[in-house]
Amino acid sequence: KNEVEQSPQNLTAQEGEFITINCSYSVGISALHWLQQHPGGGIVSLFMLSSGKKKHGRLIATINIQEKHSSLHITASHPRDSAVYICAVRGRTGGGADGLTFGKGTHLIIQP
Amino acid sequence: ETGVTQSPTHLIKTRGQQVTLRCSSQSGHNTVSWYQQALGQGPQFIFQYYREEENGRGNFPPRFSGLQFPNYSSELNVNALELDDSALYLCASSVGQGLAETQYFGPGTRLLVL
Repeated sequence: KNEVEQSPQNLTAQEGEFITINCSYSVGISALHWLQQHPGGGIVSLFMLSSGKKKHGRLIATINIQEKHSSLHITASHPRDSAVYICAVRGRTGGGADGLTFGKGTHLIIQP
Repeated sequence: ETGVTQSPTHLIKTRGQQVTLRCSSQSGHNTVSWYQQALGQGPQFIFQYYREEENGRGNFPPRFSGLQFPNYSSELNVNALELDDSALYLCASSVGQGLAETQYFGPGTRLLVL
């Protein structure tokens, strides 16, 4: 069973700062997801990665398969980025057998 | 807007009762997964359905069961509710049965068991 660890658990920063959230997992995966969850529960998929790097607007996600590590970066952070960011992985066996394994999330607060 | 809806949004039940939660997916999304998220924790995988058959299950007892219908809707049923079943229940749909498909999450149903 995969273990997914995120750091930090909580992060408070000032508007405009560069933000990095880290995710480590214990066994091989077929894909890694970064998700955003706002108060009230709704989850939005930000990225799905199996290698390299992806960029969408001010968000950048990278993954290092050999080191079993991924990072989510936010450039020019804004108060509306305040949310819980969750890392989730799907095992290499893939398909429906395992579902996604989630980290506990990083609670990000961006202050004006 | 993910195109996935869940009902009800909130629900209060008492211990021992049964509950049915519903999820409606986008047309063509023939895979649906259900997750339980306790307060302050990441979601935990309950099970997944593909074309109306259960094809994967997490570490949840048999009193958690599900159904998926041809119209891309699905249900999560929980019997003999326990206090620890209080959580946010999320469904997520996707296309196909692939290794790395994007999952579209619903807003969740918040269940409180008293």
